[in-house]
Amino acid sequence: GEQVEQRPPHLSVREGDSAVITCTYTDPNSYYFFWYKQEPGASLQLLMKVFSSTEINEGQGFTVLLNKKDKRLSLNLTAAHPGDSAAYFCAVSDTGNYKYVFGAGTRLKVIA
Amino acid sequence: DAGVTQTPRHEVAEKGQTIILKCEPVSGHNDLFWYRQTKIQGLELLSYFRSKSLMEDGGAFKDRFKAEMLNSSFSTLKIQPTEPKDSAVYLCASSFSAETLYFGSGTRLTVL
Repeated sequence: GEQVEQRPPHLSVREGDSAVITCTYTDPNSYYFFWYKQEPGASLQLLMKVFSSTEINEGQGFTVLLNKKDKRLSLNLTAAHPGDSAAYFCAVSDTGNYKYVFGAGTRLKVIA
Repeated sequence: DAGVTQTPRHEVAEKGQTIILKCEPVSGHNDLFWYRQTKIQGLELLSYFRSKSLMEDGGAFKDRFKAEMLNSSFSTLKIQPTEPKDSAVYLCASSFSAETLYFGSGTRLTVL
């Protein structure tokens, strides 16, 4: 079945620096890709949903890149600020398949 | 719009007790998931319902964990009997036809 590897497990950056989190997956049929943010003591909040047909997706303060050839999904926080400090999880699913596979998470700390 | 509602937020149980966690999915969603989240294991799927029918019962969690969905707007997760290793955050999530997962705030369970 699908396997998702997320790197790095921990990341510390200074305010204003960029932060990059990457997930690699194994199933070439994966169709939906998600990034979630989880602040301490809170639940998972959807950051962005990506379809397999879209390679570059821009959100507020971040960019999500999907490289289907390398089966790699990345989240790039362009100018991190302390409010970005949280755990980030990627998730991958097949079309209409309930089996969402989550990465192990990245704990990001942004130092002011 | 109301999101996924979980109660209680915190639960403390003695070893051997029975506890019941509750979840109300997003109105109109037909998929409901129960996950367990720990730092070591990450997100583990416990149960999955589609249109109130149990589709996945979480394999290794079948023994003491039982999820039910009596109607489309309410689900429970019963753990009986509880063990200290069950201490974790239990997350309920819902979606429409296996698209974007929306998570509740979770129930933090501590078993003494």
